[in-house]
Amino acid sequence: GDSVTQMEGPVTLSEEAFLTINCTYTATGYPSLFWYVQYPGEGLQLLLKATKADDKGSNKGFEATYRKETTSFHLEKGSVQVSDSAVYFCALTGGSNYKLTFGKGTLLTVNP
Amino acid sequence: KAGVTQTPRYLIKTRGQQVTLSCSPISGHRSVSWYQQTPGQGLQFLFEYFSETQRNKGNFPGRFSGRQFSNSRSEMNVSTLELGDSALYLCASSYTTSGDYNEQFFGPGTRLTVL
Repeated sequence: GDSVTQMEGPVTLSEEAFLTINCTYTATGYPSLFWYVQYPGEGLQLLLKATKADDKGSNKGFEATYRKETTSFHLEKGSVQVSDSAVYFCALTGGSNYKLTFGKGTLLTVNP
Repeated sequence: KAGVTQTPRYLIKTRGQQVTLSCSPISGHRSVSWYQQTPGQGLQFLFEYFSETQRNKGNFPGRFSGRQFSNSRSEMNVSTLELGDSALYLCASSYTTSGDYNEQFFGPGTRLTVL
């Protein structure tokens, strides 16, 4: 079945540092790929998405490129802020477009 | 536009009891999905409803059930609660027709604690 593997956290960075959170996936067909963010005490918010190979999703300074050859969708940000502290989830939709399969999540803490 | 609302936000039950959680989707959204979030298993898909019909179901026991009403509001029910059912239950809605993925908007969740 479909699965998503993302790097274990927690990740602790200083403000303005470069961020990379790795995500790889296994799926049949051509999944759509997503990054969601969860702030403390809140639900999930879609951060960015890519629906086909070589697409780059971007939002709020975050970027991720759909790499079919390496089955990856790594999240990057050039300069993190304290306000980026949250849990980040990589996810995909596979054969059924109604179901999201999530990675385990990566806790990011950014210190001033 | 109001977001997805879930009630109650917090719930404490004892083993063997049953519980009903409610989700009101964003106005105009006809699809509602439910997810269970636990520290050990992460986020797992429970089921999805569209126009009062369950279209997709995750790998959960029959104690977990749901339904959707004509106004798209949805409820999920867990019977004979077990300690392992303690989790954050998230509801998500989307404006989906058929076949095309539409962004899922998540509610804040209901935190269920089973004692």
